[in-house]
Amino acid sequence: AQSVSQHNHHVILSEAASLELGCNYSYGGTVNLFWYVQYPGQHLQLLLKYFSGDPLVKGIKGFEAEFIKSKFSFNLRKPSVQWSDTAEYFCAVMPYYKLSFGAGTTVTVRA
Amino acid sequence: EAGVTQFPSHSVIEKGQTVTLRCDPISGHDNLYWYRRVMGKEIKFLLHFVKESKQDESGMPNNRFLAERTGGTYSTLKVQPAELEDSGVYFCASTRTGEKLFFGSGTQLSVL
Repeated sequence: AQSVSQHNHHVILSEAASLELGCNYSYGGTVNLFWYVQYPGQHLQLLLKYFSGDPLVKGIKGFEAEFIKSKFSFNLRKPSVQWSDTAEYFCAVMPYYKLSFGAGTTVTVRA
Repeated sequence: EAGVTQFPSHSVIEKGQTVTLRCDPISGHDNLYWYRRVMGKEIKFLLHFVKESKQDESGMPNNRFLAERTGGTYSTLKVQPAELEDSGVYFCASTRTGEKLFFGSGTQLSVL
């Protein structure tokens, strides 16, 4: 079955620590890849997306993600997190017009 | 530009009752999606409209769920009769091209 797998359910970090969230997908063929974020009390927002080209994509708020085709992975990174990065992060894949999400990773950043 | 609007933001109903959720997409967005997140689980696709037509309703749980999109504008999702397992957050999203989905704030549905 086609799926999106996020490696961590809950990550707790201190400010200035580096963050990496893993995401693997099992779709064959060409897919578009996304990371969405939901801050407490807010709606889902797009962090970044990959459609084609440079596999290292940069998004908002200092986030970046690397697409590794051979590993079916699209991991999210941020070199130095802030307290305001506390949120839930969702990896998502869109083979056609249907966005499929991973289970989400809750990130808690301690001041 | 106004965002995707969902109403109500919260709904608490008893098992067996009917609830109707509404979504107003961004103007000009032909594609409208409904998603649901049951507590602690992943956000799951329910269905996809292109204008007023159902493009893909493979995620609809069962025939207690009915979605409509009148005139290709706003959409409603009716649950009748509601069951306990229908509790969760129902998200609506819209897009013009499919490259970026814009999400509403969601409707938190609690079935008691």
